[in-house]
Amino acid sequence: GAGVSQSPRYKVAKRGQDVALRCDPISGHVSLFWYQQALGQGPEFLTYFQNEAQLDKSGLPSDRFFAERPEGSVSTLKIQRTQQEDSAVYLCASSRDSGTGYHEQYFGPGTRLTVT
Amino acid sequence: DQQVKQNSPSLSVQEGRISILNCDYTNSMFDYFLWYKKYPAEGPTFLISISSIKDKNEDGRFTVFLNKSAKHLSLHIVPSQPGDSAVYFCAATGNNDMRFGAGTRLTVKP
Repeated sequence: GAGVSQSPRYKVAKRGQDVALRCDPISGHVSLFWYQQALGQGPEFLTYFQNEAQLDKSGLPSDRFFAERPEGSVSTLKIQRTQQEDSAVYLCASSRDSGTGYHEQYFGPGTRLTVT
Repeated sequence: DQQVKQNSPSLSVQEGRISILNCDYTNSMFDYFLWYKKYPAEGPTFLISISSIKDKNEDGRFTVFLNKSAKHLSLHIVPSQPGDSAVYFCAATGNNDMRFGAGTRLTVKP
């Protein structure tokens, strides 16, 4: 079966532009997570969905970051007025059950965002 | 705040020998720990996990050890193979978010 897919794989944005990053989780997976991975660091949690409900958004760094999963499958992470510090790889992961680390998360390949 | 730390950014091991990757954590609320493996241009891939009620979990060549009193876990790979060369992330969770270490780049030399 297909794994988690993300698009675009690479995105270059000028400072101040808005971007939208898409995640297609594994079909039937209840939980979906977004992470931000800076160069040389591990992934950092941004937000978590259980179906369409965003249960935790404590990791979103500012109100310029917004995520949604309106139908409980595909999710979009939107970053408004991008800044250079937003440059990172954005990883999406899904998990088959509700709850979090009690079931391993399957990661997509990530979207590398570069803000110039 | 770095709640999960991998203090060795890199490790080089000869093929056939044991690789030991270490991880320390600070949050006593973590109750589930995982190791992920990452190749370039790919997302992390789940490798092995351990619940806090256990101190060892083994899966083939991979064994994870958990020392709760020391808040330390380690991943042993034996025997190491060149295909094991990758970045390994330690992760821990206790609620809705998963915390990752910065990763250790393992190189297994033929």
